[in-house]
Amino acid sequence: SQTIHQWPATLVQPVGSPLSLECTVEGTSNPNLYWYRQAAGRGLQLLFYSVGIGQISSEVPQNLSASRPQDRQFILSSKKLLLSDSGFYLCAWSVADFYEQYFGPGTRLTVT
Amino acid sequence: EDQVTQSPEALRLQEGESSSLNCSYTVSGLRGLFWYRQDPGKGPEFLFTLYSAGEEKEKERLKATLTKKESFLHITAPKPEDSATYLCAVRTSGGYQKVTFGTGTKLQVIP
Repeated sequence: SQTIHQWPATLVQPVGSPLSLECTVEGTSNPNLYWYRQAAGRGLQLLFYSVGIGQISSEVPQNLSASRPQDRQFILSSKKLLLSDSGFYLCAWSVADFYEQYFGPGTRLTVT
Repeated sequence: EDQVTQSPEALRLQEGESSSLNCSYTVSGLRGLFWYRQDPGKGPEFLFTLYSAGEEKEKERLKATLTKKESFLHITAPKPEDSATYLCAVRTSGGYQKVTFGTGTKLQVIP
């Protein structure tokens, strides 16, 4: 069976500090991978998606970036965090482009 | 622009009191409608995919239906453990075949 992991589960970072969130998927090959942000009272906002190693599409211009160094690894980064980066970050995978997605447990990020 | 609207925003039911959640959508070329359940502080859990009007899917006390403009998630004789936020999302045939999520219905089932 497939499993998706995210870490850390919670993170408190000061404004201007760097960020690295990691997501890994087990039990499948060449998954489509996604990063979402969920703010209270708002729908999930797609940040990045990837259909293969080194292939990243960005949906929203911002100070975040994503990388996919390995087939089942997806990393969300920032060089300098803003207060507005606070939120619940979710990684997801699917077997094909934007079909049913399976989400990880999420990372709660608070920027202070 | 694709839009997904869920109603009501919140719903409080007594245990055993059946009801329905609504997801209405305005999209260009529906390629699938998804229902997810999300517990507080956790990632969404996939429930159903519906592809065409008239299709129905069932799982335990949940039944999802689809028309050309909306989908319903029927909850029959709910239990307290059904309390969660239920999210609807649509996949379209737009340029990047993105998925658009609604903001969810928060369901509370009182014992």
